[in-house]
Amino acid sequence: SQTIHQWPATLVQPVGSPLSLECTVEGTSNPNLYWYRQAAGRGLQLLFYSVGIGQISSEVPQNLSASRPQDRQFILSSKKLLLSDSGFYLCACPGGPGTGELFFGEGSRLTVL
Amino acid sequence: AQSVTQPDIHITVSEGASLELRCNYSYGATPYLFWYVQSPGQGLQLLLKYFSGDTLVQGIKGFEAEFKRSQSSFNLRKPSVHWSDAAEYFCAVGAGSNYQLIWGAGTKLIIKP
Repeated sequence: SQTIHQWPATLVQPVGSPLSLECTVEGTSNPNLYWYRQAAGRGLQLLFYSVGIGQISSEVPQNLSASRPQDRQFILSSKKLLLSDSGFYLCACPGGPGTGELFFGEGSRLTVL
Repeated sequence: AQSVTQPDIHITVSEGASLELRCNYSYGATPYLFWYVQSPGQGLQLLLKYFSGDTLVQGIKGFEAEFKRSQSSFNLRKPSVHWSDAAEYFCAVGAGSNYQLIWGAGTKLIIKP
């Protein structure tokens, strides 16, 4: 089954600094990959999804960008962080054909000060 | 518009008591429905899902949920909660391809000893 690794687990960054969160997937090939953000006390918001290398779709306009340089790597970035970028970022991939399930990584908690 | 509502932000129950977490959805077609659980600071894990067939579905950790089309509901239940069930619970609806789910805001379950 799939395993999703996210790095770093926790990050504290000043406003205006850059960001790079990494997600790597094992146990599957050419998966769809997703970045979600979970703000405190709120549900999950889909930020980006990717169906393959170099293919990124953005769900909401924002200060963030995503890239997929390799089949099993999905990166979330920002050139200049805002306070509102604070949150818990989750990477996910489908559980398998027809399951409808998403597998999630352990998340990266970002605090922007 | 498609949406998922979890009307209870927090629920507190005593250990050993029964539990019901509410989920209502608005969706134009037959929905795929999911319940996920998130322990503090961690990613999400699938508890159970409904695609079709029997409207009462069994999940992991002793949870079950019942799909009621007439009420547009998919409530999660457990007959006797354990302290380890303390977590946040998310209801989600399948929204087309690429596993793009619509998420509820979550219900935080607090267990009293």
